[in-house]
Parts: sequence; structure tokens; C-alpha cells
Amino acid sequence: NAGVTQTPKFRVLKTGQSMTLLCAQDMNHEYMYWYRQDPGMGLRLIHYSVGEGTTAKGEVPDGYNVSRLKKQNFLLGLESAAPSQTSVYFCASGKLTSAAYEQYFGPGTRLTVT
Amino acid sequence: RKEVEQDPGPFNVPEGATVAFNCTYSNSASQSFFWYRQDCRKEPKLLMSVYSSGNEDGRFTAQLNRASQYISLLIRDSKLSDSATYLCVVGPQAGTALIFGKGTTLSVSS
Repeated sequence: NAGVTQTPKFRVLKTGQSMTLLCAQDMNHEYMYWYRQDPGMGLRLIHYSVGEGTTAKGEVPDGYNVSRLKKQNFLLGLESAAPSQTSVYFCASGKLTSAAYEQYFGPGTRLTVT
Repeated sequence: RKEVEQDPGPFNVPEGATVAFNCTYSNSASQSFFWYRQDCRKEPKLLMSVYSSGNEDGRFTAQLNRASQYISLLIRDSKLSDSATYLCVVGPQAGTALIFGKGTTLSVSS
């Protein structure tokens, strides 16, 4: 199993450009998440999904949109990139077991907006 | 009060030392608790879940005190490879988004 994969790994955008980050998981997990991580800020939740066709806002959703058309994919879109969106973006998927809840992360996408 | 608080460190210890990290959380209804490890420029990885009865995995021991809303991680016989940032993570309820602390940085030196 590849686990959680993210595309692309790196990207440089100019202010105002748009792009889509792709997250894919092959573990059949119901839950998927997008986080951003900035120095000194820790991981902050952007949007999440509890199942195919459903999405919800997290702590910092402004400037981002998401879609979960297929269970295995979770897309994060930036319609008009701003320098404040320069960050490392992590996708995660999660499963609920009889004992606990576990969440697994992709390798991240490093985005720079100039 | 922040939802999950950790001492950011850094903790600088020699090989073989025992080191303890602490974490407090604000939501008394939280139901799931974890420690994640994050290496520099890498993704966070699940280190261990934390149960009310306490749990141990090799050199790592995690404890949960629900009354005090306090979580701890103890690392015995530290190795160079333990150098990383350790994230305290709390879940309001199973399946919902987890809340991450900002992490505690550990540096183990020879």
C-alpha cells in the first residue's frame, strides 16, 4: 500500500494564480483532512471530510475550497493564491478502530506564493 | 486557554537520558489522545495512542490523567534517532478532526 500520497511535492505560484492539490489514499479510510503547517503555528486544520461527497470547514478555511468526489481522493483548491498561503500542506486520512481512532499523513506539499 | 498546550522546548539531552514531555488540553469531553512524532521537513507519524490505564511501547510510556486533563510521554534510554518534534494530539471524539499541539522539540546528543 502506498498509504497517503500528495501531488505535487513542491510548487511556486504567483499571487492571484490558482492551483489544486491532490491527496489520494489507498487504505479505504472514511475520513480525510487538509492541514497547513507554518513555523511557530503548529498544524492547523483547513477543511475535512467524513465521507465521500461531504466536506466541512476547519480552523482556517478562508481562501481554500475542497472536494471529495471519490472516497480515495480529497482535493484542495486555491482560487487566487496569496503570499499568506505560503506554507507546507499536509493531507491525512483516518480510520476508526474498535480500540481507537488513527490518522495517517501524506508527505506534504511545499507551496510558495510570490 | 489554548486547546492543546505543550512546552516547546527544546529539550537537549545526552544519549541514555530519560526525558519527559507534558501536555494539557482544555476540552474535558475529549475522547482520544495520541503522541505523534515529526522529523524535520517530514510528515507527522503516529507514535502511540494514549489510554487511561497508561501504555508502554518499548522505551516509550504514555500516561493520561483525565481529571487533570494532562498527558505525558516518557522516553527512557534516549537514542540519537529520538531527536524530533513530539506532538501531543487530542480528539474531541473519535472520527472528528484531531487537535494538535505545537510540539516539543527533542535533541539527543552523543
